Amino acid sequence: AIQLTQSPSSLSASVGDRVTITCRASRDISSALAWYQQKPGKAPQLLIYDASSLESGVPSRFSGSGSGTDFTLTISNLQPEDFATYYCQQFNTFPHSFGQGTKLEIK
Amino acid sequence: QVQLVESGGGVVQPGGSLRLSCATSGFTFSSHGMHWVRQAPGEGLEWVAFIRHDGSTTYYADSVKGRFTISRDNSKSTLYMQMDGLRAEDTAVFYCAKATSYYGSASYDSWGQGTLVTVSS
Repeated sequence: AIQLTQSPSSLSASVGDRVTITCRASRDISSALAWYQQKPGKAPQLLIYDASSLESGVPSRFSGSGSGTDFTLTISNLQPEDFATYYCQQFNTFPHSFGQGTKLEIK
Repeated sequence: QVQLVESGGGVVQPGGSLRLSCATSGFTFSSHGMHWVRQAPGEGLEWVAFIRHDGSTTYYADSVKGRFTISRDNSKSTLYMQMDGLRAEDTAVFYCAKATSYYGSASYDSWGQGTLVTVSS
């Protein structure tokens, strides 16, 4: 099974900051990676698919990059509604797997 | 718009069974693969199972293989998960999620609100 390791596990930032979350896969997954945002008590929402494609309706301050084993999610100009937990996910091979999550908190 | 609504969660004793349902609308259900994903209290997301658009192929996480069965009824636009031999460690919110394509190598672009399964004596 493919393991995904996210870093950091938690992150404190301020409104207007730019933050980067990384996700490393235990083997090559090409571009079969997605990023999701989850707020407390809510279902996850798709932000980025195929490593770098922005899901319809998602603000352009979210961006993704990478391929192979190393990926990043960048959020520019943080807004109050962006404070949440973020998960990467690989869908290259079954079993699909998620990173452990990165909790983004307000500084 | 796309809607996914789970039901069937509840409290069950260890060793018991539950059947979850996910009623969908707003898209062509028979053209999309579907997943179940769960989240234990205070924990991260865990993929559980997948079924292809036509029901021909299924995949399971090792943690549920042989105990859970995913199925679908395309005439009713509904996804199911039969859960047998439930264990305390199966306690979680269960989400159904729509794949962006009919096959497995695709992200999940819509999720239900989740249904809570609690396994406890």
